[in-house]
Amino acid sequence: AQTVTQSQPEMSVQEAETVTLSCTYDTSESDYYLFWYKQPPSRQMILVIRQEAYKQQNATENRFSVNFQKAAKSFSLKISDSQLGDAAMYFCAYRSRTGNQFYFGTGTSLTVIP
Amino acid sequence: NAGVMQNPRHLVRRRGQEARLRCSPMKGHSHVYWYRQLPEEGLKFMVYLQKENIIDESGMPKERFSAEFPKEGPSILRIQQVVRGDSAAYFCASSPTQTSYEQYFGPGTRLTVT
Repeated sequence: AQTVTQSQPEMSVQEAETVTLSCTYDTSESDYYLFWYKQPPSRQMILVIRQEAYKQQNATENRFSVNFQKAAKSFSLKISDSQLGDAAMYFCAYRSRTGNQFYFGTGTSLTVIP
Repeated sequence: NAGVMQNPRHLVRRRGQEARLRCSPMKGHSHVYWYRQLPEEGLKFMVYLQKENIIDESGMPKERFSAEFPKEGPSILRIQQVVRGDSAAYFCASSPTQTSYEQYFGPGTRLTVT
C-alpha cells in the first residue's frame, strides 16, 4: 500500500521568509500524481500545487514551488515570501494514475510569525 | 459554479443514534469520494461512488457505515449506532471522471458524538 510521510508535525517561519515542508512517499508504481493541500482553521481543503510524476520539471504556483525527487520519493513544498495567510495545516497527498483514492500524510502545522 | 456542498457543517449525535451526512458534488461531476479525518491525522479514504454504484469501499468500516449516491439527489454517508470513536471530520470530494487526477473537496462535516 502507498504511504505518505510528513516528518515535521510543526514548522514556523518569519513573515516574508522562506520555509520548506518535507514529504516522502512509498510506492511501487511509476505513474502517479502528488499534491500539496492547505487546510486553514475553516477546515476547507485547498489545493496548493500538484505534480505529475512523469514530468521532470518542478511545479510552481506563484510563491509556492516543489522539489520533486522521483528516485528519492521526495516531494517538498517551498513557500517563499511567507504571508500571515499561509498559516495552516499542510497535507501532502499521493494518487496513482489508475487508483481511486488519495493517500494523505499526517500534516504539518505551519505558523507564520509577524 | 458552486463547489462541493456538504451539510450539515456540524452534527452532534448521542451514542447509539444515526448520523446522515450529505454531499452534493460540483455541477457536472458524477464521481464522489468520502474521506474521514480523525483528530490530529490526515484524511483517510472511505468510499468511492458513481451514480447508483459503489465502486470502491475498501476504506469503509464493515459495520454501521454505508454510503449511497442515488440517481437524483446528494450522496449520503450513513453511520448507524454512532460511537465516540466516530467523532471526526468527514469530507466529500468530487471529480468529473474516474481518470481525473484532481478531486475537489467540500468543507467537511464535523461529527461529534456525545
